[in-house]
Amino acid sequence: EAQVTQNPRYLITVTGKKLTVTCSQNMNHEYMSWYRQDPGLGLRQIYYSMNVEVTDKGDVPEGYKVSRKEKRNFPLILESPSPNQTSLYFCASSLSLGEKLFFGSGTQLSVL
Amino acid sequence: GIQVEQSPPDLILQEGANSTLRCNFSDSVNNLQWFHQNPWGQLINLFYIPSGTKQNGRLSATTVATERYSLLYISSSQTTDSGVYFCAVERSGNTPLVFGKGTRLSVIA
Repeated sequence: EAQVTQNPRYLITVTGKKLTVTCSQNMNHEYMSWYRQDPGLGLRQIYYSMNVEVTDKGDVPEGYKVSRKEKRNFPLILESPSPNQTSLYFCASSLSLGEKLFFGSGTQLSVL
Repeated sequence: GIQVEQSPPDLILQEGANSTLRCNFSDSVNNLQWFHQNPWGQLINLFYIPSGTKQNGRLSATTVATERYSLLYISSSQTTDSGVYFCAVERSGNTPLVFGKGTRLSVIA
């Protein structure tokens, strides 16, 4: 089944403890991106990647890192999480930029 | 940057009613998509529609790019249509999708 898989689904952590949220797609998509969703602010893009080894900042990149070493994987890294990074995170992919976008199931992150 | 405004922000419907959701955008776009976020948080792509009209079952969408708006029509609404509907646009190549704030739809039996 074609899908975007994120893990974990839920994560509770403490301030400063490094964490990684994984994202994988099995559709051979070139474009992948990360969003966070907050009440009243909607969906905002964190980082995106046009292809392997090509990443760029979205609207809210501060406090996040990404890497794209393989086409199928696009992990989101929080080196030193803070409470203001508590949010619902989504990974998404599409064949290329500008094509139909497919989302993962989301990761609810709480930073205490 | 480009502004995306959706209306109405909230909508309550009786099951079986029809509705129209609107998305206005402030600049010309290459790409426009409609998404449904169900009550469990999943985001499902409904339409990829930079221009013209498309239909999928009880849902249809029309984008009039020259007038900078798109409409999502839901006919014979069902309780499973409840959730938040987002419009997202891309102004040009190499720019990310910008999402509207969404329309929250509640369909009651």
